[in-house]
Amino acid sequence: SQTIHQWPATLVQPVGSPLSLECTVEGTSNPNLYWYRQAAGRGLQLLFYSVGIGQISSEVPQNLSASRPQDRQFILSSKKLLLSDSGFYLCACSPGQGAPPLHFGNGTRLTVT
Amino acid sequence: AQSVAQPEDQVNVAEGNPLTVKCTYSVSGNPYLFWYVQYPNRGLQFLLKYITGDNLVKGSYGFEAEFNKSQTSFHLKKPSALVSDSALYFCAVRAYSSGSARQLTFGSGTQLTVLP
Repeated sequence: SQTIHQWPATLVQPVGSPLSLECTVEGTSNPNLYWYRQAAGRGLQLLFYSVGIGQISSEVPQNLSASRPQDRQFILSSKKLLLSDSGFYLCACSPGQGAPPLHFGNGTRLTVT
Repeated sequence: AQSVAQPEDQVNVAEGNPLTVKCTYSVSGNPYLFWYVQYPNRGLQFLLKYITGDNLVKGSYGFEAEFNKSQTSFHLKKPSALVSDSALYFCAVRAYSSGSARQLTFGSGTQLTVLP
C-alpha cells in the first residue's frame, strides 16, 4: 500500500519569504498526485494535480506553484508568501486515472506571520 | 456541477450509543461515494466507499454507510460509538463516469464528539 511522506510537519514563515513543501510517495508507481489546502480545519480545496513528471494542472489561481521533478515527488512552492497562504497543506495520491480512493499524507501546517 | 452536503457541523453522541453522520450528494449519473476521517493535525484516512452493488457498505473500525439512491444520501453509521471515534468526518463524491479523482468533491466536514 502507498505511504506518503510530507515535511515539514509545521512551518512558521514571515510574509514575503519563499516556501517549499515536499511530498514523496512510496509503494506505487506513476501515481496521480494532488496538493490540497484545508483552511480553518474544515473544507478541502484542490490546488494542484499531476498525472506525471512535469505535468501540473492548477485548479485555482493563486500565489503558489507546484512541480513534479520525479515520479513520486511533488513539491509546493511560493516565491513570496502572503498571510492568506496560512493553512494546512495536504498531499494525496491515487494509483492512477479513475482509481479511487485518495491516500493522504499527514500534512504541513503553515503559519505566515 | 456536483456537490456534497453535510448538514451537521457537529454531532455529539454518548459512548455505546449508535451514531449517524449525514451526507447528501448531487452528481450527474451514478456516483462514487466515500467517507474519510481526520484526526487532529493529521491527514484524511479512507474509511469506506460505495461504487456499485450492495447499498450497505462496511468499512474500517466498525463503520458502515448506507447508499440511498432515491434520497441521494450516503449516511455514515456505527452501532456503538467509542470515545476514540471522536474526529472530523468528510463525505466525498464524484461521478462514476469521470475519469479521475481530480473531480472528487468533499463536504465541509462533521465534527463527531463521543462523550464518555
